[in-house]
Amino acid sequence: AQSVTQPDIHITVSEGASLELRCNYSYGATPYLFWYVQSPGQGLQLLLKYFSGDTLVQGIKGFEAEFKRSQSSFNLRKPSVHWSDAAEYFCAVGAGTSGTYKYIFGTGTRLKVLA
Amino acid sequence: ETGVTQSPTHLIKTRGQQVTLRCSSQSGHNTVSWYQQALGQGPQFIFQYYREEENGRGNFPPRFSGLQFPNYSSELNVNALELDDSALYLCASSLDVGELFFGEGSRLTVL
Repeated sequence: AQSVTQPDIHITVSEGASLELRCNYSYGATPYLFWYVQSPGQGLQLLLKYFSGDTLVQGIKGFEAEFKRSQSSFNLRKPSVHWSDAAEYFCAVGAGTSGTYKYIFGTGTRLKVLA
Repeated sequence: ETGVTQSPTHLIKTRGQQVTLRCSSQSGHNTVSWYQQALGQGPQFIFQYYREEENGRGNFPPRFSGLQFPNYSSELNVNALELDDSALYLCASSLDVGELFFGEGSRLTVL
């Protein structure tokens, strides 16, 4: 069965420090991969996505992610965190065929940024 | 272009009642999916509609049902509400299989 694992429930970093959020997935083929961010009481906003091609993808707000097929990972990175990045981050997999398709989300990583 | 809008934003129901949540898709999108997000959890996929047909479903019982209309707006219906149905319900629209655009959700409280 398909699954998405985000092993870090909470992460705390200082403003200006680098960030890496981990995501591992289980799927028989190469899925579509996404990172979303959710601020309190809000819906989810797409940060970046990977469908095919270059395995290093750039997103909004200075985020990037690297798809590593051998590790079934799609980790999110940012070189310098800003206080406004404090939020919950979700990794997601899109999987299936044209007849049946679904998105699977991880349980999320809550990011706290220290001033 | 208008984004995804959901209504109502908040509602309170009692056990055993029925609820209908509504979603207007982003202009040009033909696919809508619904998610349940319990407090402190990630979104759980309920089902997806593509051109008015259900084409994907998560592990939710049949009392969770939906509709997609010709204008691609959608409804989520939940019958026989249980306390565990209390959650944020998110609607997302997309063009075919691709990036999801989320609404801000409907927060349901079941007493």
